Amino acid sequence: EDKVVQSPLSLVVHEGDTVTLNCSYEVTNFRSLLWYKQEKKAPTFLFMLTSSGIEKKSGRLSSILDKKELSSILNITATQTGDSAIYLCAHNDYKLSFGAGTTVTVRA
Amino acid sequence: SQTIHQWPATLVQPVGSPLSLECTVEGTSNPNLYWYRQAAGRGLQLLFYSVGIGQISSEVPQNLSASRPQDRQFILSSKKLLLSDSGFYLCAWRGHPSSYEQYFGPGTRLTVT
Repeated sequence: EDKVVQSPLSLVVHEGDTVTLNCSYEVTNFRSLLWYKQEKKAPTFLFMLTSSGIEKKSGRLSSILDKKELSSILNITATQTGDSAIYLCAHNDYKLSFGAGTTVTVRA
Repeated sequence: SQTIHQWPATLVQPVGSPLSLECTVEGTSNPNLYWYRQAAGRGLQLLFYSVGIGQISSEVPQNLSASRPQDRQFILSSKKLLLSDSGFYLCAWRGHPSSYEQYFGPGTRLTVT
């Protein structure tokens, strides 16, 4: 069974700080890794990383896949209070296997 | 564009009562549909998925069931709710086979009392 582990479970930073979130995976057959942001409701899609697309960037958010280390990181630079959320990582096969998530709190 | 709807948004039900949550997708055909549950402070757990009408796969044993009576409709049910059924229920869809992204509906927050 696919296994996805995220760390840390939670962290608190101040506005302007840089945050790095980790996701490691143990899967039978790697297809793609997805990152989602979840505020108070449903998760919203951020990035998809595949063997042919190991680095993605959108504004202050970026993500890298390390297939050798079986892991991925999500970076958020110049954090804002609106970045406060749970960040979820999932391996995407026919279904999504999620990690427990990292709760990020950005204080003004 | 595609949209996904879920209702109700919130629900409070007593233990032992029945449950029916509905999910519908617009703007696409023959989507893969999924039901996930998120317990408080935890990640998302896949409950059921469906690749077509009448085709349901269950991921975890439980007192819940799912049905897909129409192409873009997915229903989650229970005959008798347990306290442990409380949580945030999310429906998701995936379109083209070559696209691996899943998109989530707004969710239903269920509290069993």
